[in-house]
Amino acid sequence: AAGVIQSPRHLIKEKRETATLKCYPIPRHDTVYWYQQGPGQDPQFLISFYEKMQSDKGSIPDRFSAQQFSDYHSELNMSSLELGDSALYFCASSREPGQSSYEQYFGPGTRLTVT
Amino acid sequence: GDSVTQMEGPVTLSEEAFLTINCTYTATGYPSLFWYVQYPGEGLQLLLKATKADDKGSNKGFEATYRKETTSFHLEKGSVQVSDSAVYFCALSDYGGATNKLIFGTGTLLAVQP
Repeated sequence: AAGVIQSPRHLIKEKRETATLKCYPIPRHDTVYWYQQGPGQDPQFLISFYEKMQSDKGSIPDRFSAQQFSDYHSELNMSSLELGDSALYFCASSREPGQSSYEQYFGPGTRLTVT
Repeated sequence: GDSVTQMEGPVTLSEEAFLTINCTYTATGYPSLFWYVQYPGEGLQLLLKATKADDKGSNKGFEATYRKETTSFHLEKGSVQVSDSAVYFCALSDYGGATNKLIFGTGTLLAVQP
């Protein structure tokens, strides 16, 4: 079965650089979530999109932005990177909330290292 | 706000031992409850879920029952294997509310020794 695809899997950037993470949801899933997991931490919700509109926002820094495109893939753009942004970034997808099949399926994550 | 509290690890067990990882939650609505597992170097995999009170989720020998009266969703397995070694996250989602973001507990590292 098709899974959530994230690219790149690993990314190394220097401070003050920018990074773009991509997420391709499971086919027919219209909702995308982004989470950040610091070393030894639990995943923290950043932002979500439903039908290409932002549906919720969590602890996402102003330096980060995201969007969902017409094909439902999503991109997380991170600017002015800081050392503390080093983390594993997960994307998850689901069908429309409220459906009985609702579950969030996670991608393998993108490991971002800021040096 | 909503939150999840789970027992701290690491939990170290011998193979075939009984496993319990405690999880309690605080929520204003009627959340769905989940257990996710994260193997070393991998992403999060849904292990089991329960969407209403008294529901029992089960998968791969793991079980958890949604207890509204005690606001708990403890994970159990009768006989663990070395391959069960991983980090286990309890999580809740305000199913059907304005947002369906997952709120995770801090995770419990399980190490099973042969």
